[in-house]
Amino acid sequence: GAGVSQSPSNKVTEKGKDVELRCDPISGHTALYWYRQSLGQGLEFLIYFQGNSAPDKSGLPSDRFSAERTGGSVSTLTIQRTQQEDSAVYLCASSLGQDNQPQHFGDGTRLSIL
Amino acid sequence: ILNVEQSPQSLHVQEGDSTNFTCSFPSSNFYALHWYRWETAKSPEALFVMTLNGDEKKKGRISATLNTKEGYSYLYIKGSQPEDSATYLCAFPNNNDMRFGAGTRLTVKP
Repeated sequence: GAGVSQSPSNKVTEKGKDVELRCDPISGHTALYWYRQSLGQGLEFLIYFQGNSAPDKSGLPSDRFSAERTGGSVSTLTIQRTQQEDSAVYLCASSLGQDNQPQHFGDGTRLSIL
Repeated sequence: ILNVEQSPQSLHVQEGDSTNFTCSFPSSNFYALHWYRWETAKSPEALFVMTLNGDEKKKGRISATLNTKEGYSYLYIKGSQPEDSATYLCAFPNNNDMRFGAGTRLTVKP
């Protein structure tokens, strides 16, 4: 059991294609976070879910990015019409839901756009 | 924009040295301050979550202090070991997001 599981671990795709990244959080964790780390950069917050709801989507870099979470569990991050600047490691984390709870991270998806 | 700043950006120490680094964060609307360790080729691992002004937490040779009034936290490593080499991140929950600092990259030489 389980830790946070992300798939795929690596994804290489051509510019313009759509990609879907998956995150399976720790069972019972109500909060789920998506981050990305571009080459040479720090962790950039993308979006946060409490249950199935994302109160604020303004962290998503563009309207090509969307995320959903169903059943309070698995989340998918979708990037449409990928661009080379989307190349990054996308990390997912989950927690018990309050700000004073530590986040548990998955191993990430390394996305490369050719 | 509420920024989380960490210093130094990188640090090289000899095995056995003690070291410390700083995280500064907005002192208003404080909820909590997180510290994570991120080793190369692994995912970030939680070290501490601190909530109370004046709090001090310890985990083995690593400890952290918190000053919410002035907006800073220190992370201390006593008797550094090569396995302590990693990037140390602090993070500040802000409403519906989580602001991470850029990290302090620690290298401990044997």
